[in-house]
Amino acid sequence: QITLKESGPTLVKPTQTLTLTCTFSGFSLNTFGKGVAWIRQPPGKALEWLALIYWDDNKRYSPSLRSRLTISKDTSKNQVVLTLTNMDPVDTATYYCAVEEGLDGMDVWGQGTTVTVSS
Amino acid sequence: QSVLTQPPSASGTPGQRVTISCSGSNSNIGRNYVYWYQKFPGTAPKLLIYRNNQRPSGVPDRFSASKSGTSASLAISGLRSEDEADYHCAAWDDSLSGWVFGGGTKLIVL
Repeated sequence: QITLKESGPTLVKPTQTLTLTCTFSGFSLNTFGKGVAWIRQPPGKALEWLALIYWDDNKRYSPSLRSRLTISKDTSKNQVVLTLTNMDPVDTATYYCAVEEGLDGMDVWGQGTTVTVSS
Repeated sequence: QSVLTQPPSASGTPGQRVTISCSGSNSNIGRNYVYWYQKFPGTAPKLLIYRNNQRPSGVPDRFSASKSGTSASLAISGLRSEDEADYHCAAWDDSLSGWVFGGGTKLIVL
């Protein structure tokens, strides 16, 4: 059974850097074809894909946020870390991580973690 | 503004069949599979449909989907009150080299 869980601060100040960790079980990010994605949903708004890291360390970023995002993995800990720099109140959202299984899509998601940006 | 376009809301009465549309472009829906997610407030999205029209195990066959050109649609037949949720479409976008989502459709069961 695949599970994922997001962790990180619930409140950050404007201009700070957000660091979120996705801890997963039930699969290995060393497995061919596997990836872990980050997606967020601001209150009352649409889902927005942020970043994706693959088993071979290939990375993809949302073009609109590329300059502020970094994704990395620690396969020994079964974790994927996302950093988002220069946080702004518009970055207030629930942040999710999900396993991406190629053409089967992002099929299992974590419960999400809510991040508020406020001074 | 989302890359994929969905109607903000849809509604139906119990037992009815409702459809939700998702419109994109050649770089996403036109060339790649469409995925549909069901989301209840305060919970994580649940994969409802993958590869245009495939249901993961456990998803009732009341849920079906199709794709034609740069558009896709999700159909829910035999509507139930528990189907009241937000529905989101998604696809890989070759131009953006990433996933794109629709704005989400709030389904109201009257």
